[in-house]
Amino acid sequence: NAGVMQNPRHLVRRRGQEARLRCSPMKGHSHVYWYRQLPEEGLKFMVYLQKENIIDESGMPKERFSAEFPKEGPSILRIQQVVRGDSAAYFCASSPPGSHEQYFGPGTRLTVT
Amino acid sequence: GEDVEQSLFLSVREGDSSVINCTYTDSSSTYLYWYKQEPGAGLQLLTYIFSNMDMKQDQRLTVLLNKKDKHLSLRIADTQTGDSAIYFCAETYLGAGSYQLTFGKGTKLSVIP
Repeated sequence: NAGVMQNPRHLVRRRGQEARLRCSPMKGHSHVYWYRQLPEEGLKFMVYLQKENIIDESGMPKERFSAEFPKEGPSILRIQQVVRGDSAAYFCASSPPGSHEQYFGPGTRLTVT
Repeated sequence: GEDVEQSLFLSVREGDSSVINCTYTDSSSTYLYWYKQEPGAGLQLLTYIFSNMDMKQDQRLTVLLNKKDKHLSLRIADTQTGDSAIYFCAETYLGAGSYQLTFGKGTKLSVIP
C-alpha cells in the first residue's frame, strides 16, 4: 500500500505566477488535510476536504489560495499570484473515514523568487 | 485559541533515555500525538494517546499525559543515532467536523555517538 504521494517535491515560481500542488491520498483514504510549514516553525492547518467537499477551510488565507478534491484524481492546492511569503513546505495528510489518524506525505517545498 | 509549546533543542548520548516535553492549552483536546520529522522528509506518526489515558507504551516509546497540568511527554529508551530528528507534539479535538491538528514548533533531538 503506497503512502501519501505529493508532487512535485520541489517547485520554484516567480512572483505573480501560479503554483499547483498535488496530493494523492493513501488507498482507501477519502479525507485530505493540507498544512503549511514555514521555516523553523511547526505545521499550520490550512484546509480539510473530503471527496468533492470542503469541510473546514478555517486556516486558509482569504485570498489567492484554493483547494479541491475531485471525485477522481488527486487533491490540489492552488496558489495564485504567489508572493515571497508563500515560500514554505506544504504537506498533505490523508485519513480513512471516521479516523483521527493522519498520515503525511513527503511535502512540496515551494520557493518563490 | 489553542497553543502547543515545546522546548526547541535536546541533546543526549547514544544509549541514554530522551525525554521530550510539551504543554498545551486546549482542555478539550481529544487526542495528543507525537510525530517525527527527518531532514527533508514528511512527518511520521510515532504514537498518540487518548485524553482519558495517563500512559501509553510502545516498544522504546513511552507517552505520559498529565491532563491536570496539560503536560505531555515522550520518552525514548536506549536512544540511537537514528532517532536524531525533529519531534512534534500535536493535539486535536473534533471541532467543526474536522480533526485538524495543532502542532508545536518541534524539538530537535541530537544524539551524540
